[in-house]
Amino acid sequence: AQKVTQAQTEISVVEKEDVTLDCVYETRDTTYYLFWYKQPPSGELVFLIRRNSFDEQNEISGRYSWNFQKSTSSFNFTITASQVVDSAVYFCALSWHQGAQKLVFGQGTRLTINP
Amino acid sequence: DTEVTQTPKHLVMGMTNKKSLKCEQHMGHRAMYWYKQKAKKPPELMFVYSYEKLSINESVPSRFSPECPNSSLLNLHLHALQPEDSALYLCASSQPKGSGRRGLDTQYFGPGTRLTVL
Repeated sequence: AQKVTQAQTEISVVEKEDVTLDCVYETRDTTYYLFWYKQPPSGELVFLIRRNSFDEQNEISGRYSWNFQKSTSSFNFTITASQVVDSAVYFCALSWHQGAQKLVFGQGTRLTINP
Repeated sequence: DTEVTQTPKHLVMGMTNKKSLKCEQHMGHRAMYWYKQKAKKPPELMFVYSYEKLSINESVPSRFSPECPNSSLLNLHLHALQPEDSALYLCASSQPKGSGRRGLDTQYFGPGTRLTVL
């Protein structure tokens, strides 16, 4: 079965702190794709990053970085020097090669950055 | 440009009304999706259109009727809804899986329509 677990329901930190959002996935497919989306209070799901199972390089984009570890089936997301504008719900999601167009989401982590 | 637009932003309807949600994309994508999202929950897939044909229906009640008039437009027709159908309805688009280059099937979402059924 395909499954994404985001164990952290809510996280609250003070501005400028670093914060890591955890994502653990399960899939029997050897080819799969992992995503992070951000959902601010306005409701739109904003695509942040895609990682393919055959590409294990970690990525940094400004204050954002992602750590993909196949050995532990994890795809964690770190925000460095957090800002109030980072406050949102963050979803980790999984699609797989044989899964048609389906995207399986984790339950989401609500991140609050306090000034 | 990764923009998907949805209208209306907010909709309030009675259980006997008929209304439609609209979604439009101009990214040349040939797959479009409807998701339903309840408060504090992740989005749930409802329908997928691939090359203007319905490819996935996740056992959605018939009071929701999707339509894909062309490759840029996706509608969701609503009739005889129940109060529990109140939710955020999100549209997304992508290239269909297997369409060639890696990464093109990433789904891009619109801002959603907040639906309230009285």
